[in-house]
Amino acid sequence: GAVVSQHPSRVICKSGTSVKIECRSLDFQATTMFWYRQFPKQSLMLMATSNEGSKATYEQGVEKDKFLINHASLTLSTLTVTSAHPEDSSFYICSARDSGVQGGYTFGSGTRLTVV
Amino acid sequence: GENVEQHPSTLSVQEGDSAVIKCTYSDSASNYFPWYKQELGKRPQLIIDIRSNVGEKKDQRIAVTLNKTAKHFSLHITETQPEDSAVYFCAAGYNAGNMLTFGGGTRLMVKP
Repeated sequence: GAVVSQHPSRVICKSGTSVKIECRSLDFQATTMFWYRQFPKQSLMLMATSNEGSKATYEQGVEKDKFLINHASLTLSTLTVTSAHPEDSSFYICSARDSGVQGGYTFGSGTRLTVV
Repeated sequence: GENVEQHPSTLSVQEGDSAVIKCTYSDSASNYFPWYKQELGKRPQLIIDIRSNVGEKKDQRIAVTLNKTAKHFSLHITETQPEDSAVYFCAAGYNAGNMLTFGGGTRLMVKP
């Protein structure tokens, strides 16, 4: 079945540094990728939608300059958390639109970011 | 935009009992309603979905019902087992593969 590989699975970084999270579609072309954020014991909140070759669409309240999304190819989308702060600590997960699977989505495995 | 409310937030049942989780949505344009199961630190797994042209769908011990008029849908798990323990999320969207709005989640605990 369709697979979205997300890396890293866990990352600890210092305040003020930047962290890049990658999501790759391994056996299909992901023209659209959704990026979600999930705080402990809370729901998945959509941060942005990225389309290959164009600028990402951010949800209200999400700072586009802080959460940089790049979707330069049909198999790779990246989320960079810039100048990270402890309040950015969260579980970040991507999902790719995939018409070949039930539900039309394939989720990545998630990245747990801890900012110290 | 769409708003999805999910209840209860936690649910504890005895093994073998049934569990019901309910969700309401606000946008009448939504026509696709999936349910996901998420274990701690893992990716959500689609367990069942329903489209608005169907009122009920069943897959072994899992069933989902949809009331378009009232804008609510429910997940029913029968003969619960300890491995059903997880967090369940409902979601609503327009067609599969488009943006989803998730409910707040239900932590289901099945006691052996």
